[in-house]
Amino acid sequence: AQKITQTQPGMFVQEKEAVTLDCTYDTSDPSYGLFWYKQPSSGEMIFLIYQGSYDQQNATEGRYSLNFQKARKSANLVISASQLGDSAMYFCAMREGDRNTDKLIFGTGTRLQVFP
Amino acid sequence: SQTIHQWPATLVQPVGSPLSLECTVEGTSNPNLYWYRQAAGRGLQLLFYSVGIGQISSEVPQNLSASRPQDRQFILSSKKLLLSDSGFYLCAWRRDARAGGYTFGSGTRLTVV
Repeated sequence: AQKITQTQPGMFVQEKEAVTLDCTYDTSDPSYGLFWYKQPSSGEMIFLIYQGSYDQQNATEGRYSLNFQKARKSANLVISASQLGDSAMYFCAMREGDRNTDKLIFGTGTRLQVFP
Repeated sequence: SQTIHQWPATLVQPVGSPLSLECTVEGTSNPNLYWYRQAAGRGLQLLFYSVGIGQISSEVPQNLSASRPQDRQFILSSKKLLLSDSGFYLCAWRRDARAGGYTFGSGTRLTVV
């Protein structure tokens, strides 16, 4: 079964508008972490934002915010005021396990295209 | 400063040839290290991870192997490449358990011909 599910293969958004990228996860571990990464065409993986399973508040990093709904097991990324440079692949990932076994598992990604 | 190096950036290898990709980390000790593969237009698949020298965990049965001969060195190998081994290989290390905890190398684009 998929541990991380991203149901949107592609999304379009107009410049300066906000966009939400969906992510749901599946785990029985009470301690886990959720990440979003951006991958431009160059291939590099750029860390955007992190949410811990015990964090009470939703994470925010500049124009990025994570809408964490624990009961629904969802961790959607919200990008406000989209810019042309935001066009890229976006991956949701989950960390499971303790210090000796932790792994970062990725979803299949969403390709975001920002148009003028 | 803490950095991760991965090389080569691109590689074209014939079927049946051996493979060795190297990843090194600087500025830290005893990091958790990871090898991922990304097929064209797809997500990242975890191949191997290591929590210490000589300790390798394999996630997916395949034609590849990994080794960690030194604390900050992680090597991905194959004795005989297959066409299906083509892809984008990324090394990563875990800085800490929280924000920004995983940093990725710049990747190696492998094409098996």
